[in-house]
Amino acid sequence: GDSVTQMEGPVTLSEEAFLTINCTYTATGYPSLFWYVQYPGEGLQLLLKATKADDKGSNKGFEATYRKETTSFHLEKGSVQVSDSAVYFCALSHSGGGADGLTFGKGTHLIIQP
Amino acid sequence: NAGVTQTPKFQVLKTGQSMTLQCAQDMNHEYMSWYRQDPGMGLRLIHYSVGAGITDQGEVPNGYNVSRSTTEDFPLRLLSAAPSQTSVYFCASRGGGKTQYFGPGTRLLVL
Repeated sequence: GDSVTQMEGPVTLSEEAFLTINCTYTATGYPSLFWYVQYPGEGLQLLLKATKADDKGSNKGFEATYRKETTSFHLEKGSVQVSDSAVYFCALSHSGGGADGLTFGKGTHLIIQP
Repeated sequence: NAGVTQTPKFQVLKTGQSMTLQCAQDMNHEYMSWYRQDPGMGLRLIHYSVGAGITDQGEVPNGYNVSRSTTEDFPLRLLSAAPSQTSVYFCASRGGGKTQYFGPGTRLLVL
């Protein structure tokens, strides 16, 4: 079955540091890939997405590129802020009809220190 | 436009009690889903619906029932609560695209 593997945290960085959170997936066909963010006490918010190979999703300074050859969708940000502290989830969804729903990684807790 | 709403925000149950977690969306989305979030497990799909009158099981359906009588509502029922169902529950919906929109969650404690 489908699966998503992401680096487990917590990941602790200083403000203005470069961020990479690794995400790899196993799936049949051509899934869409997502990064969701969960701030403390809140639900999940879509951060960015990519629906086909070589697509780059970007939002709020975060980027991720859909790499089919390495089955990866790593999240990056050039300069993190304290407000980026949250839990980040990588997820995939299959195209077309049939079974709906997202397959999530276990989440990466990011802590940014001033 | 409220998006996806869930009630209650927090609930405490005793083992064996039943309850219904409510979920509603006002975006006219066909697809709705229920997930549970447990520490170190990420989110796991419980049940989903591709339209009114149509539901199917996800990864962890045991102990939960759902129905979809309207496009807007997708309640999740616990018939006989167990401590293993202590979790945070999220409802989500999506339209024709791939992006799912999540509700704020219901935190459930089963004693």
